[in-house]
Amino acid sequence: QVQLKESGPGLVQPSQTLSLTCTVSGFSLTSYSVHWVRQHSGKSLEWMGRMWSDGDTSYNSAFTSRLSISRDTSKSQVFLKMNSLQTEDTGTYYCARLYGGIMDYWGQGVMVTVSS
Amino acid sequence: DIQMTQSPASLSASLGETVTIECRASEDIYSNLAWYQQKPGNSPQLLIYDANSLADGVPSRFSGSGSGTQYSLKINSLQSEDVASYFCQQYNNYLTFGSGTKLEIK
Repeated sequence: QVQLKESGPGLVQPSQTLSLTCTVSGFSLTSYSVHWVRQHSGKSLEWMGRMWSDGDTSYNSAFTSRLSISRDTSKSQVFLKMNSLQTEDTGTYYCARLYGGIMDYWGQGVMVTVSS
Repeated sequence: DIQMTQSPASLSASLGETVTIECRASEDIYSNLAWYQQKPGNSPQLLIYDANSLADGVPSRFSGSGSGTQYSLKINSLQSEDVASYFCQQYNNYLTFGSGTKLEIK
């Protein structure tokens, strides 16, 4: 069955780089795009960017300068790297599969705290 | 960027009631709209897509409607398991979410 699972450090220091991994199963990264979405505690969802099935990427303009998304199809993994982290980057980070514009499967999310 | 204005921010209703949540887009999104339900401690789950199509496994008491810039999610016969936050999302041009509606039982 389709599954996505995020992993990464729970605590990152201010000004450092966040590195997250989304490991997928039950589908191929060459057939579906995978997105990253952030949620501040108890608040709304914020689309960050996507890895297209052809390997191309697109980003929310709010993150373009410090966000990078890449993948390793052999390992069924999509990576998020975001630099210059600040306390306002604290939140839960989700990866989700996109099907025709909608996010039909989501990971469980990984909580990231930015603090010294 | 397309902005999504969702209302109300919170809602309290009794079991068995009907509730409606609204979403307004800053421009025509041609029914490219989805609704998600997020229960406390869980990730969002797809409820409705293409403005009015029910996702697999979603109870028929949920329905979506709208066109152009105005959309709504209706929940008939409110059940205790419907306590959650609800988000709209446009996918006509990139992706944007509404600010969410927190639904509680009175």
